[in-house]
Amino acid sequence: SAVISQKPSRDICQRGTSLTIQCQVDSQVTMMFWYRQQPGQSLTLIATANQGSEATYESGFVIDKFPISRPNLTFSTLTVSNMSPEDSSIYLCSVEDIPSGPYQETQYFGPGTRLLVL
Amino acid sequence: AQKVTQAQTEISVVEKEDVTLDCVYETRDTTYYLFWYKQPPSGELVFLIRRNSFDEQNEISGRYSWNFQKSTSSFNFTITASQVVDSAVYFCALSEANDYKLSFGAGTTVTVRA
Repeated sequence: SAVISQKPSRDICQRGTSLTIQCQVDSQVTMMFWYRQQPGQSLTLIATANQGSEATYESGFVIDKFPISRPNLTFSTLTVSNMSPEDSSIYLCSVEDIPSGPYQETQYFGPGTRLLVL
Repeated sequence: AQKVTQAQTEISVVEKEDVTLDCVYETRDTTYYLFWYKQPPSGELVFLIRRNSFDEQNEISGRYSWNFQKSTSSFNFTITASQVVDSAVYFCALSEANDYKLSFGAGTTVTVRA
């Protein structure tokens, strides 16, 4: 399966600032996704990062708050803008890979970025 | 809309006990895919298994086994002879055909005590 890395692994930020999270994959993938996991909660999809086009955002998430870049098939960034304490979460990127043939598409996740906003 | 329910919020067992995690799903699609992921305290999400709706075979992988029952819309996960390293949050997830989006359950926290 694809190997995914994220930077930074964790950060503590002041409210009103922005943080850009990087996601790097060791192989070319078509589908990349960004999720948010608030403390003690499940995962919520923020957006799908499309190479060569605008990201597709889920209900409740907007581009001004979470701008996403996808410059190539192995890399994406998520920026959390104008942060508030409510943005404190784990942010995870994932990629869809096909480890062993058709009907096996599976999302694999990066190690996550733990963000604390003070 | 698809939905995944993990009714058990927390389960605590003593080492070597078996533990079963329940997952019930709802979908209108006849073709769909079910997943289990493990999230240890370190935070990364580890893929455990994928099961397609058209393949109802149960599966065993070491101490892990999965029971897929379409008749009851359930995809339960059993850890046999649990170990401390099994302590984690376990998520069940669902995606539908032609839709890559994963819908996650709320997760079940498993604590295995030595």
